[in-house]
Amino acid sequence: SQQGEEDPQALSIQEGENATMNCSYKTSINNLQWYRQNSGRGLVHLILIRSNEREKHSGRLRVTLDTSKKSSSLLITASRAADTASYFCATPRAGLGGNTPLVFGKGTRLSVIA
Amino acid sequence: DSGVTQTPKHLITATGQRVTLRCSPRSGDLSVYWYQQSLDQGLQFLIQYYNGEERAKGNILERFSAQQFPDLHSELNLSSLELGDSALYFCASSVVSGNSPLHFGNGTRLTVT
Repeated sequence: SQQGEEDPQALSIQEGENATMNCSYKTSINNLQWYRQNSGRGLVHLILIRSNEREKHSGRLRVTLDTSKKSSSLLITASRAADTASYFCATPRAGLGGNTPLVFGKGTRLSVIA
Repeated sequence: DSGVTQTPKHLITATGQRVTLRCSPRSGDLSVYWYQQSLDQGLQFLIQYYNGEERAKGNILERFSAQQFPDLHSELNLSSLELGDSALYFCASSVVSGNSPLHFGNGTRLTVT
């Protein structure tokens, strides 16, 4: 079953603009992760945010987590054509348990136009 | 490079056949996961192994089975293949699941004709 759902399904922006993607999930979690997938390739881990964190940065990426609303957002600042990819949020299937697999949303397809 | 190796990269086979997909996890990772990605279903968790033992099951069909060997490599066996089994099959590995990042291979693209 899907835990996280990304919104929007697709996003098209100009190079240099910021891109924001949202993720909503259903049950309590101890962490949430974001991944990127270039067309037809494996997913690449971007960032992990724990339930006691509200915001985390990694380069041009900024992730927020609101556990009261069961939602997260991924912001990519100053986007580049190379950021074109699908972005997925993932949460532990068992929510708060350890050693549990991740379940993924259906992703947001980001197109950055040069 | 994630360190996770999947073979073969592409597989074309006919309905009713059986195939085996292979995965070598990243060095030091004890957990191996299999995911299926299709356009309509998204990325679906199939099964997880931890240090040779089955740890969790997802939406894995009875026609599918997997195992993890003592050297930690894993194989996913798909039998009595149907057209709907055509998809990208990913293997991922991690040190401990759920609380640590997954490292994905580049997948095996299975086409059933």
